[in-house]
Amino acid sequence: DTGVSQDPRHKITKRGQNVTFRCDPISEHNRLYWYRQTLGQGPEFLTYFQNEAQLEKSRLLSDRFSAERPKGSFSTLEIQRTEQGDSAMYLCASSSPDYAYEQYFGPGTRLTVT
Amino acid sequence: AQTVTQSQPEMSVQEAETVTLSCTYDTSESDYYLFWYKQPPSRQMILVIRQEAYKQQNATENRFSVNFQKAAKSFSLKISDSQLGDAAMYFCACQGGSEKLVFGKGTKLTVNP
Repeated sequence: DTGVSQDPRHKITKRGQNVTFRCDPISEHNRLYWYRQTLGQGPEFLTYFQNEAQLEKSRLLSDRFSAERPKGSFSTLEIQRTEQGDSAMYLCASSSPDYAYEQYFGPGTRLTVT
Repeated sequence: AQTVTQSQPEMSVQEAETVTLSCTYDTSESDYYLFWYKQPPSRQMILVIRQEAYKQQNATENRFSVNFQKAAKSFSLKISDSQLGDAAMYFCACQGGSEKLVFGKGTKLTVNP
């Protein structure tokens, strides 16, 4: 078991560009979560999938953000028309059906919008 | 809605000593979980310990233990025999009523040799 992986680890983009991040959960984990962490803060919940269904979205997830998990395996998070305020660490986590309350985190994707 | 408050932005401890990190929370849920996560510098979040709210017994994982005071909505983490590798940001989190974790702002722990 290789753990949760995220790609890329770092992304620098110019304001107004679109970016997409990928998360691969631990195999057989059916729940997948996205969080955003800004400097000096704890992670904030963005959205959550159970299999391919997106079951909960935060109000933080504006219409410029979209997340998918098309086959219930990996997930993508896209940010359109990036703004400087989008600069943050984007964390992905997954959990198993048997221990849904234990979320395992990936290393994160650090986004810098210039 | 849940809130989690960590009132200690930074703490320090001498190697081999004991330190306690504070956390208070608020939730309207009767069934919830509480967690402590560790985030070493430039490394990923690691689950340290969890506590089910319906359990009266405090959780323990090796050198890590919690003091869960349900009525006071307090959930502190005690680290015994502190090691240099314990240096990290520590986040308290609550989960109840939905799958999402609600985190506090964290406490930066420094371990002095």
